[in-house]
Amino acid sequence: GENVEQHPSTLSVQEGDSAVIKCTYSDSASNYFPWYKQELGKRPQLIIDIRSNVGEKKDQRIAVTLNKTAKHFSLHITETQPEDSAVYFCAASFGNEKLTFGTGTRLTIIP
Amino acid sequence: GAVVSQHPSWVICKSGTSVKIECRSLDFQATTMFWYRQFPKQSLMLMATSNEGSKATYEQGVEKDKFLINHASLTLSTLTVTSAHPEDSSFYICSALRSGANVLTFGAGSRLTVL
Repeated sequence: GENVEQHPSTLSVQEGDSAVIKCTYSDSASNYFPWYKQELGKRPQLIIDIRSNVGEKKDQRIAVTLNKTAKHFSLHITETQPEDSAVYFCAASFGNEKLTFGTGTRLTIIP
Repeated sequence: GAVVSQHPSWVICKSGTSVKIECRSLDFQATTMFWYRQFPKQSLMLMATSNEGSKATYEQGVEKDKFLINHASLTLSTLTVTSAHPEDSSFYICSALRSGANVLTFGAGSRLTVL
């Protein structure tokens, strides 16, 4: 089955700086890669996703890049703000059903 | 649109009792729903895939007799933790796939504490 690794497990950045979280996946058949933001005790919220037919996608301060050959994808958050502090999970699947999640990254924005 | 309601959000029960958690898609039909378990500071682990009108598909290592899943309609899936024990205490989250759409929507989760 699919195996998703995520790094780093914790990340602290100064407000205004950029944050990058990286994930690798094992199943070359995976073609859907969403990123979720989860605040403590709350539901995961989809923040951005990318499919295997594109290499990069951007939505305001958030961007995701995908390297299919290397089987890795990354989340980039620019101009970080305190409200960006949360746990971020990457995931991978074939189609958009049975997601395999990464282990999560706890992002802390330092004011 | 695409709202998933999960109930109850908190439940405390005695060891040996059974607990039912409901997952409802409020404004769309979901032929497929998923149940996850999340331990503190850990990732979401898929427990099972719930398909309307058929038996659930369980992930390896998940006891189907322990975690009963029923998907009786296009808007409701239930997870019943039978004969709960303290080690079953966890955060359980469902998600629903809108029929014909490409995005999963998550419920708010249910925190189960077994005394």
